[in-house]
Order: sequence, then C-alpha cells, then structure tokens
Amino acid sequence: QSVLTQPPSASGTPGQRVTISCSGGSFNIGSNTVNWYQQLPGTAPRLLIYSNYQRPSGVPDRFSGSKSGTSASLAISGLQSEDEADYYCAAWDDTLNGLYVFGTGTKVTVL
Amino acid sequence: QLQLQESGPGLVKPSETLSLTCTVSGGSISSSSHYWGWIRQPPGKGLEWIASIYYSGSTYYNPSLKSRVTTSVDTSENEFSLKLSSVTAADTAVYYCARQRGPAEDFDHWGQGTLVTVSS
Repeated sequence: QSVLTQPPSASGTPGQRVTISCSGGSFNIGSNTVNWYQQLPGTAPRLLIYSNYQRPSGVPDRFSGSKSGTSASLAISGLQSEDEADYYCAAWDDTLNGLYVFGTGTKVTVL
Repeated sequence: QLQLQESGPGLVKPSETLSLTCTVSGGSISSSSHYWGWIRQPPGKGLEWIASIYYSGSTYYNPSLKSRVTTSVDTSENEFSLKLSSVTAADTAVYYCARQRGPAEDFDHWGQGTLVTVSS
C-alpha cells in the first residue's frame, strides 16, 4: 500500500508529450526530493530523474521532472517506442523512523 | 563501471529464512556517503524498499519488514547481505540490490535482480 499515488496507465503516439503525476503528502514529497525510475519489460529499474529534476548521465533530455508542494510530475517529450515501460516515482518518507517509498507505478504505452 | 550481482537460493520453503548476497564490483562498498539497499518486486506488482545499510553497519529498515529483516556488510569481500526470516508465499518476489547515494537518496545503480519463490 504505497503512499505515493500514480495513474496506472498513460499513452501517446510517437512524438507526443506524455506526463505522469505522482501524488504524495507532507512527510514525503512535501519535505523530501523526488526520484523517478524507468523499468523496461523484464529488466531492473533504472534511475531516470533524481533530486526532483536532475538527470543522470546518459538520460535523454526529453525526460524532465518537476515538483510542486506534495506532488511531482515526469514528462516525456518526443515520445519514442523505446519509452514503453513502467515508471515509478519515489521519495523518502519521514514518518515512523523513515522509509523510502515508491509510487504505485505507471505503465506507459506507445500507440 | 560499478556492477552489482545478487546471489542466493531461488526457492525457499515457507517459515524458513531467505538469504541473499550482493557482490559489488568496479567500486568499493566502503565508499563514503553511499548506502547499499535491497528492494523487491512481487510478480506483476510494484517496487518495495526493504532496507539500506552503510559499510559501517548503520542501517535503515522498512518498518513493515523490520522484525524479520537482518542486513550485514562484508567489506573484505565487497559484498552485503539480506536475511528475511519466517517467509511466506507473500515474500515471493524479484529481489534487487542497489547502491543508494545517501540514507534518504536515490538508488543510482541496480543489480539485475533474482527471483525468489517461497513454496514447499
């Protein structure tokens, strides 16, 4: 039972812009940075965005992240077929003794 | 470049203890600031963080699993380990090890994952 809520699915045609939302609360997104992971079918997750909007080396700049209050978003511009994957937001949660929480995940389909 | 590789039994009986090891290559497990974590993913479901450990032994556990989880680091072998006791079918999952940039930060390098099935 994740505390970070994402839409179960999103889709777009090649070249379109797709946005995925991540809704949390004051103890996670509201007070800590957000990370995003991409999981291609049958593979391990890959860090896509860290510290709300930073991209690791090798991640194309068509992936962008943002955060406002207790919500965050991942945008994929110029959607490509290889972007078809599951995407997870994540953040540290300060409740109890602290824990790292993942979002519910969003399946992106390229039509 | 940094690589992580999980190893351990792929089948564990109910009520027994699941034991996994993550071997790190291409970098030192004793590097300052980095933590080393375990994440799991039940078949067809989402990701769940289990625990993170620093080379000194400092640890963070998911409160929902804390009573059953033990983690350790072996700096001489450049590896870290996970033990999950009293397993049930609900613990069947792909288990990933990963490097964490700090105690509350992102996981920037991941192992390929290993499927552990709990069944008699």
